[in-house]
Amino acid sequence: DIQMTQSPSSLSASVGDRVIITCRASQSISNYLNWNQQKPGKAPKLLIYAASNLQSGVPSRFSGSGSGTDFTLTISSLQPEDFTTYYCQQSFSAPYTFGQGTKLEIK
Amino acid sequence: QLQLQESGPGLVKPSETLSLTCTVSGGSISTNNYYWGWIRQPPGRGLEWIGRIYSTGGTSYNPSLKSRVTISVDTSKSQFSLKLSSVTAADTAVYYCARQYYHDNYPSYFDPWGQGTLVTVSS
Repeated sequence: DIQMTQSPSSLSASVGDRVIITCRASQSISNYLNWNQQKPGKAPKLLIYAASNLQSGVPSRFSGSGSGTDFTLTISSLQPEDFTTYYCQQSFSAPYTFGQGTKLEIK
Repeated sequence: QLQLQESGPGLVKPSETLSLTCTVSGGSISTNNYYWGWIRQPPGRGLEWIGRIYSTGGTSYNPSLKSRVTISVDTSKSQFSLKLSSVTAADTAVYYCARQYYHDNYPSYFDPWGQGTLVTVSS
């Protein structure tokens, strides 16, 4: 199985800050990397697919980059509704695996 | 707008079989380029892919669960189902169904997801 490791596991930031969350794969996965947002008690929601493509309806303050083994999710200017948990997920090969999550908290 | 909704018992006894159904509305379960999958999340923990099915019945399962998992589809009812046998407390989780887009030589992704249903394994 391909292991996905996110860092940091938690992050404190303020409204308006720019934050970067990283995700590293245990082997090269090209651009087969998706980012999901999960709010408490809710299902995950797709934000970014194929490493850098913004899903329809997702605000443009979210962006993704990377290829191979190293990827980033950037939120350019944090809004109050962005303080929640984010997961990366690889679709290079089954079994599809997720990172352990990054919890974004208000400072 | 496509929607998915999980249904099934919220409590299952140890050693028994967990059975859930996902009903798809607002779109066709037989559309090309989509798989239909199950993902679970133990309370307070991360996400684990269980498996997927295509509308014609082809399946793929997580090897860690393969010996206990069966996913089936009923296109006439726009439903697909999960059965997990010989459950233990470790199978307690929120179970999500999701549509998985795929295309040859292009990254697949899960979207949308159902709201999830909590299944507790306890006597």
